[in-house]
Amino acid sequence: SQTIHQWPATLVQPVGSPLSLECTVEGTSNPNLYWYRQAAGRGLQLLFYSVGIGQISSEVPQNLSASRPQDRQFILSSKKLLLSDSGFYLCAWSRSYNEQFFGPGTRLTVL
Amino acid sequence: TQLLEQSPQFLSIQEGENLTVYCNSSSVFSSLQWYRQEPGEGPVLLVTVVTGGEVKKLKRLTFQFGDARKDSSLHITAAQPGDTGLYLCARAAGNKLTFGGGTRVLVKP
Repeated sequence: SQTIHQWPATLVQPVGSPLSLECTVEGTSNPNLYWYRQAAGRGLQLLFYSVGIGQISSEVPQNLSASRPQDRQFILSSKKLLLSDSGFYLCAWSRSYNEQFFGPGTRLTVL
Repeated sequence: TQLLEQSPQFLSIQEGENLTVYCNSSSVFSSLQWYRQEPGEGPVLLVTVVTGGEVKKLKRLTFQFGDARKDSSLHITAAQPGDTGLYLCARAAGNKLTFGGGTRVLVKP
């Protein structure tokens, strides 16, 4: 069966510090991978998606970047965090019919 | 700007009551998905509807896709505290999903 992991689960970072969030998928190959951000109690905003190694599509201009160094690894990064980067970050994978399977999320607080 | 409008934004009911949440758009969906998300966790897919007029049942949950494929509803019968969560609808476009703003449901014992 397929599983998706995210770490860390929670993170508190000062403004201006760098960020690296990691997502890995097991049990499948060549998945589509996605990064979302979610404001408290609201819907999901798609940040980046990837259909293959090294292929990244950015949905919104922002302070973040994404990379896919391996088939089942997706990384979300920032060089300098802003207060507005706080939120709940979710990674997801899909294979067909766009049904997506989500990881447990990372709660990021920027102080 | 949300392409999918969900209503209501928040719903609080007593255990045993029924509830309906809605997902609407001005454009036609090729398919629509419903997810439930519990606090601190990722969303979990409940159902995908594809055909206009389609009705799917998942225990006490009934999902309906509008005939024109521009709207969908989720009806919960005899709600239980375990139904508490954020209900999200999402439409597919290419490799991506666009999510509605969600309806937060609280079922009080």
